[in-house]
Amino acid sequence: AQTVTQSQPEMSVQEAETVTLSCTYDTSESNYYLFWYKQPPSRQMILVIRQEAYKQQNATENRFSVNFQKAAKSFSLKISDSQLGDTAMYFCALRSGGSQGNLIFGKGTKLSVKP
Amino acid sequence: EAQVTQNPRYLITVTGKKLTVTCSQNMNHEYMSWYRQDPGLGLRQIYYSMNVEVTDKGDVPEGYKVSRKEKRNFPLILESPSPNQTSLYFCASSNPTSGYSYEQYFGPGTRLTVT
Repeated sequence: AQTVTQSQPEMSVQEAETVTLSCTYDTSESNYYLFWYKQPPSRQMILVIRQEAYKQQNATENRFSVNFQKAAKSFSLKISDSQLGDTAMYFCALRSGGSQGNLIFGKGTKLSVKP
Repeated sequence: EAQVTQNPRYLITVTGKKLTVTCSQNMNHEYMSWYRQDPGLGLRQIYYSMNVEVTDKGDVPEGYKVSRKEKRNFPLILESPSPNQTSLYFCASSNPTSGYSYEQYFGPGTRLTVT
């Protein structure tokens, strides 16, 4: 069975600082994809960043980057220069390449950015 | 505009009164899915559909039904709602076979309360 674990239920960071959200996963597949979704108070699910398991290079999207450690099955999200608008729930998710497209989500990390 | 729509956005109902939450996408996606989100549990998949007339159970299908008679629509049916189905529901769609377009697009969510 595939699992995704986010061990930090809540985190806080000062505006303009850097924060890292942890995610570990388990899968027996060799081909899979990993995602970070952001859910602000509006409840909308917003894709932040994605990583293909076959790519060694860590994905980056502006202030968001990941540290993908395939052997350790770790997929952490780093947010640089945190902004008040980054306050949200963040979900890590796994999709197997051979599956029908089903996403397995972690339980989420609630991030608060403080002024 | 490419989007997934859900209706209603908010619903308060009573135990046992049948209800349907509609979901529609305008991206010609083959894959559609329903999730429920509960505090501390993340998002869990209820049902998914690979294409018209093809549906399958997710992780928490009990008490729910779905149908896929048209490619764009994937309604979620609660035949006899119970209070434990009080939750936030998301519909999502994607085209998992079309290369990079495996991103799941989420609807805005439906907040359901069953009393």
